[in-house]
Amino acid sequence: IAGITQAPTSQILAAGRRMTLRCTQDMRHNAMYWYRQDLGLGLRLIHYSNTAGTTGKGEVPDGYSVSRANTDDFPLTLASAVPSQTSVYFCASSDDRTGGPDTQYFGPGTRLTVL
Amino acid sequence: GQNIDQPTEMTATEGAIVQINCTYQTSGFNGLFWYQQHAGEAPTFLSYNVLDGLEEKGRFSSFLSRSKGYSYLLLKELQMKDSASYLCASMDSNYQLIWGAGTKLIIKP
Repeated sequence: IAGITQAPTSQILAAGRRMTLRCTQDMRHNAMYWYRQDLGLGLRLIHYSNTAGTTGKGEVPDGYSVSRANTDDFPLTLASAVPSQTSVYFCASSDDRTGGPDTQYFGPGTRLTVL
Repeated sequence: GQNIDQPTEMTATEGAIVQINCTYQTSGFNGLFWYQQHAGEAPTFLSYNVLDGLEEKGRFSSFLSRSKGYSYLLLKELQMKDSASYLCASMDSNYQLIWGAGTKLIIKP
């Protein structure tokens, strides 16, 4: 069992380019999340999905979009990357967000640099 | 508002005990999580407290006081592999996690 996988591991991207970060989980978890982690700051929630077919905005959603076509996949898209989006991006999942305080499990992260 | 505070960095000696504190202000509090994150890796779950008191799990223990908005993570018999960042996160009424910036723990031989 792989848990949560993310791709790519790292990426250098020119400003203005479109980029999709991939996230796949095999735990059949209902809820999935995208966070960014920047030095000196806590993890900040970008978008989340409580279940397949639904998504919601987190603390810092601007410049990002997500989709949840099925239970396993939760891609994050940067429509037109800007240097301030340079960060480490973590995908996470939990069994049922609305049913209670479930533990979130994290993927290995994607290190993105926007030049 | 919602806020989480924890020290930026702590240093301890191998074999010793260290306590990492976390204070929080969270509306509709639904519990307090601790995660460990080694450099360049993903956060991994350590503990969850929702009731007052101490939860012990091997060398690691976590304490919660809801009335004081305070938690701590206690690490005993420190090992070099415990060098990592320790992230405190509170869960709000929407089951959303509010994260602290993390405490970098440096273990010296």
